[in-house]
Amino acid sequence: QSVLTQPPSASGTPGQRVTISCSGSSSNIGNNFIYWFQQFPGTAPKVVIYRNNQRPSGVPDRFSGSKSGTSASLAISGLRSEDEADYYCASWDDSLSGKVFGGGTKVTVL
Amino acid sequence: EVQLVESGGGLVKPGGSLRLACAASGFTFSNYAFNWVRQAPGKGLEYVSSITSTSSAVYYAGSVRGRFTISRDNTKNSLYLQMNSLRVEDTAVYYCARESAGFFGDSWGQGTLVTVST
Repeated sequence: QSVLTQPPSASGTPGQRVTISCSGSSSNIGNNFIYWFQQFPGTAPKVVIYRNNQRPSGVPDRFSGSKSGTSASLAISGLRSEDEADYYCASWDDSLSGKVFGGGTKVTVL
Repeated sequence: EVQLVESGGGLVKPGGSLRLACAASGFTFSNYAFNWVRQAPGKGLEYVSSITSTSSAVYYAGSVRGRFTISRDNTKNSLYLQMNSLRVEDTAVYYCARESAGFFGDSWGQGTLVTVST
């Protein structure tokens, strides 16, 4: 059971907007930065959003992050086939004194 | 170019030990904190441990506290994870991930597979 809660799957057709939620508590998302990682099978994760809503250089502006209270979300607009991957949210947890991850969301492009 | 290369994984029996290493290049190693993150086969990412840039603070997930020890050698640009009393459930790919202030995971290694089995 992950500390951060994500839906196991999400899907959309090319060009659509897909949103992935990440729910936590005041000890993690509510009081710390949220990060989003993209992972393709057999490869290392890659950060697509850091500090809640910042995009690293090289990440398309189709990816956006937001946070409100103890929840966060990752939105992928203009969905493309190459966006099909697993996405994980992560944050620091003050009570656990460590980082916590969501269980991951598999995004499928129909 | 930033590079993180993990090594030291392999097959070990339950109760055994392994020491993982993460060799860094292409940046000033001592300016960054580091993390170990693992992923069991077919499962999601799981936080294992963190260490600050000067080793002044270390943190562990509850599942490994007391069995694993994170350390670093800034003179050798290397991060380590000493894993003792290994359990079957520690079987996973172990990644090292760099961190600067407010930017966790800006670079990751390719991972090293640890298999704990009889």
